[in-house]
Amino acid sequence: GNSVTQMEGPVTLSEEAFLTINCTYTATGYPSLFWYVQYPGEGLQLLLKATKADDKGSNKGFEATYRKETTSFHLEKGSVQVSDSAVYFCALSDQNFNKFYFGSGTKLNVKP
Amino acid sequence: DVKVTQSSRYLVKRTGEKVFLECVQDMDHENMFWYRQDPGLGLRLIYFSYDVKMKEKGDIPEGYSVSREKKERFSLILESASTNQTSMYLCASSSPGRANQPQHFGDGTRLSIL
Repeated sequence: GNSVTQMEGPVTLSEEAFLTINCTYTATGYPSLFWYVQYPGEGLQLLLKATKADDKGSNKGFEATYRKETTSFHLEKGSVQVSDSAVYFCALSDQNFNKFYFGSGTKLNVKP
Repeated sequence: DVKVTQSSRYLVKRTGEKVFLECVQDMDHENMFWYRQDPGLGLRLIYFSYDVKMKEKGDIPEGYSVSREKKERFSLILESASTNQTSMYLCASSSPGRANQPQHFGDGTRLSIL
């Protein structure tokens, strides 16, 4: 079956630190992979996506590479800001009705 | 931009009440989804719909039903609300076809059952 596992939080970093949030997946077929971000009191917003192996998704300084050999899609950012404090969700989409499978979310706290 | 609108941000209801949560999208999307979000559990799919009047159970459909009479509107119904249904509810929509289409989310409804 399909599932997503991401590192538990919270993750606490100082401003300008390097960020990695690990995400691994189990899937049948050829899923697409996504990162979503949720700011306090809001719904989920698409951050980036990758649709095939070795694709790199990027947005707002965040990057993630679709690694089929390690079934991973780790989120990285070179220098985090206080405004990046949020909950980050890794997800995969299967080919049936665009059904998504989400990880449990990782809360990021960035301190000034 | 896609707009997914949930009718209430906060809702307080009593045990045993019938509760309706409404969701409307403005992008003519075929697919619509209802999730609940609980701390430590991430998002869990309750029901989804891939066309008008069509519905499919998700992972946790017990205690819920849905209605999709028009393409743009997808309603979640709690037939007889219970305290364990206190949660954040998120609606999403997407266009059909290949798996690379993202889902677009509303801002959520925080429902409290007393």
